[in-house]
Amino acid sequence: DGGITQSPKYLFRKEGQNVTLSCEQNLNHDAMYWYRQDPGQGLRLIYYSQIVNDFQKGDIAEGYSVSREKKESFPLTVTSAQKNPTAFYLCASSNPQAPGANVLTFGAGSRLTVL
Amino acid sequence: AQTVTQSQPEMSVQEAETVTLSCTYDTSESDYYLFWYKQPPSRQMILVIRQEAYKQQNATENRFSVNFQKAAKSFSLKISDSQLGDAAMYFCAYRGSSYTSGTYKYIFGTGTRLKVLA
Repeated sequence: DGGITQSPKYLFRKEGQNVTLSCEQNLNHDAMYWYRQDPGQGLRLIYYSQIVNDFQKGDIAEGYSVSREKKESFPLTVTSAQKNPTAFYLCASSNPQAPGANVLTFGAGSRLTVL
Repeated sequence: AQTVTQSQPEMSVQEAETVTLSCTYDTSESDYYLFWYKQPPSRQMILVIRQEAYKQQNATENRFSVNFQKAAKSFSLKISDSQLGDAAMYFCAYRGSSYTSGTYKYIFGTGTRLKVLA
């Protein structure tokens, strides 16, 4: 079955460490997204990408970095510059050109806790 | 910039009754899409229903329906015959027609937590 796989599901990090969250999709979707979810703040867009080797900053990109070396993969690195990284992170994808393409498909999420 | 507002942080409904969740949005675009997503305790985001702005007819999916008022920029979700499994966070989302760098931005509201009482 096609879908989006995020790993790890839970991650603990010490202050000052970088950590990378994995996002892989086998839906053949062109567009991929990273969202951060905090209580009471909904989903906020971190980065998004349309094609390989191209990505755009979202509303809260500071302290994060991404890469898009393959169509299927869009990893997110939470750097030590991110002041409050403890959150739930959601990866999503869509295919803007296909019929019904306006729907976002989500992964199961990754919970990052900074100790 | 577009914004999505959900003014009800929490709602409760008795099992088998009907509940309406509110969503308003702000945009200068005339063509866009609106969505309701459900996030149960598992935290997996699930699409509930979607509406194309150019369609006047309100979308319906089984027990879920929307009241789309384009002029008022309002997009409420009605859940009929509520079931215990409907208990979840519900997010309203907007996707505009501004095709920035080859893709679209999706903007979410802050969510409404729905409790279903047995």
